[in-house]
Amino acid sequence: DTAVSQTPKYLVTQMGNDKSIKCEQNLGHDTMYWYKQDSKKFLKIMFSYNNKELIINETVPNRFSPKSPDKAHLNLHINSLELGDSAVYFCASSLTPAPTRSIEQFFGPGTRLTVL
Amino acid sequence: AQKITQTQPGMFVQEKEAVTLDCTYDTSDQSYGLFWYKQPSSGEMIFLIYQGSYDEQNATEGRYSLNFQKARKSANLVISASQLGDSAMYFCAMWWGDYKLSFGAGTTVTVRA
Repeated sequence: DTAVSQTPKYLVTQMGNDKSIKCEQNLGHDTMYWYKQDSKKFLKIMFSYNNKELIINETVPNRFSPKSPDKAHLNLHINSLELGDSAVYFCASSLTPAPTRSIEQFFGPGTRLTVL
Repeated sequence: AQKITQTQPGMFVQEKEAVTLDCTYDTSDQSYGLFWYKQPSSGEMIFLIYQGSYDEQNATEGRYSLNFQKARKSANLVISASQLGDSAMYFCAMWWGDYKLSFGAGTTVTVRA
């Protein structure tokens, strides 16, 4: 059983389009995250939700909007896609917002977004 | 601003030897946690080890150990008896304060047979 799943795995689209990436976790965790990994492999947190409440909202263009319909899902919608949005987007979850030894963060497989 | 620094962009290690990956961090918080993740070429992120700022003992998980030197603000990862499957990118990360999370730039490890 997949713990954290993301769809789609690959997304190729034109500049200016709007797209969504979906994330689901079946671990019963309260906290979910979105990360962006750029072409240089640098990983940066974008958003985090705890019990459907936004708790981390880093400096991200407001074209990016997260939505958490319930604790098990955290979707990422991107408006007016730009070339610089090309990256791998990872979803993750943890039992609490402060991961520890026994409350680790589980990552999804990533979604590779390519904007042409 | 909080910061994680990994100064080694890439390293080569001979199979069966140990390798140390450097990580230094900068925080004024007393309570924080340090992680190491492995990212193989397949792209997934794999949790390796965790050290809490109040943990007195260095964390160990199988062949992974974390050399935590709080005064020097360093949290180096030691991989003992390297295997070919250890070839990957390794990220040091820290959480602190109000749910803040930061990752280092990563170190690529290549294990040679």
